Amino acid sequence: SYVLTQPPSVSVAPGKTARITCGGHNIQSTSVHWYQQKPGQAPVVVVYDDSDRPSGTPDRFSGSNSGNTATLTISRVEAGDEADYYCQVRDSASDHWIFGGGTKLTVL
Amino acid sequence: EVKLVESGGGLVQPGGSLRLSCAASGFTVTSNYMSWVRQAPGKGLEWVSVIYTGGPTYYADSVKGRFIISRDYSKNTLFLQMNNLTADDTGVYFCARETYSSSYFDYWGQGTLVTVSS
Repeated sequence: SYVLTQPPSVSVAPGKTARITCGGHNIQSTSVHWYQQKPGQAPVVVVYDDSDRPSGTPDRFSGSNSGNTATLTISRVEAGDEADYYCQVRDSASDHWIFGGGTKLTVL
Repeated sequence: EVKLVESGGGLVQPGGSLRLSCAASGFTVTSNYMSWVRQAPGKGLEWVSVIYTGGPTYYADSVKGRFIISRDYSKNTLFLQMNNLTADDTGVYFCARETYSSSYFDYWGQGTLVTVSS
């Protein structure tokens, strides 16, 4: 089955840029979505369809998808961005939804 | 306003069964793909099952043959019947609505905790 690989953790200083990757075979051929999850809360989508933002997501959040890697970029990181981030795709070959293992973003 | 509220979680012994419910409001559960997603303590998100608008259902390999997803139009509620539970099934179970236009989940419930332990 399709596998999405994320780094377990990313650390960044406030005001800097954080990049969280999501690796998958030929991931560029599918739409990738990104969720933010804070402790004790349900996930919330922050980027969908590779690079679109729901209303309410700050424009500091952006996404890209090329080759075998999708990337969530958070510019001008704030303390409130500290959370777990998950990438997700739909594997149409199996009718399964796939999540990456998650990345814990730490704001130093 | 779209809202999803799960219930039915609790403590169950290994080998036991449990039925989770997800009451929806602000939309009709038959008009969107609806999924269950779970999260073991301290772990990541794991997709469990989906029911399509037309009725077909699909399951993660880890639960196939043990879990059954269903919905009740009159109650506007999604269900997950979980049988032959093991400790690996312990976690918070979320119901989630897939958006019409793409394959992401635009609304989630708050989750219900299932603990499988003797």
